[in-house]
Amino acid sequence: DTAVSQTPKYLVTQMGNDKSIKCEQNLGHDTMYWYKQDSKKFLKIMFSYNNKELIINETVPNRFSPKSPDKAHLNLHINSLELGDSAVYFCASSRTGVTEAFFGQGTRLTVV
Amino acid sequence: GDSVTQMEGPVTLSEEAFLTINCTYTATGYPSLFWYVQYPGEGLQLLLKATKADDKGSNKGFEATYRKETTSFHLEKGSVQVSDSAVYFCALTGSSNTGKLIFGQGTTLQVKP
Repeated sequence: DTAVSQTPKYLVTQMGNDKSIKCEQNLGHDTMYWYKQDSKKFLKIMFSYNNKELIINETVPNRFSPKSPDKAHLNLHINSLELGDSAVYFCASSRTGVTEAFFGQGTRLTVV
Repeated sequence: GDSVTQMEGPVTLSEEAFLTINCTYTATGYPSLFWYVQYPGEGLQLLLKATKADDKGSNKGFEATYRKETTSFHLEKGSVQVSDSAVYFCALTGSSNTGKLIFGQGTTLQVKP
């Protein structure tokens, strides 16, 4: 049983397209996150949701829109994709009051 | 703001060598500290953690001690294996108490037989 699962694992798309990445966790956690890992492997938080409510929204272009239909799911929709959006996107989850986060396998997005 | 600094990589060691990866941090308040590991082509896995000063986290032969006086959380292992080859990330929870993790830049470890 995968604890935090993301789909797809790989995504290759053309500039200007719109794409979504889905994330689901079966750990019963109430907080979910999206992190971006750039080509130098640096990781930075993008968004966080707690019980479907947006908690963290770092300086991210508004072409990126997270959606949390319930506390087990957090999807990331990206409009008008640009070359600079190429990265690995990680979903993670944690329980409120518990410090450790569990990460998914990542989605490698390549914009051509 | 809060930040984490790790030693530059890559680190290349022979099997059974001693490993140290340095990590220092800047934070307000009392963050929790973590080491995560990313094996090639995989996601991040929590390796160990420490939640308060002088705590020692340990797992799979790796250890790190939360040193408030030196604001450090250095990762050590007495005898590395080829299977330890991976990217290691030091991280802390930000001061905002939102669960947000702030990561260091990662250190690539390559262990040769």
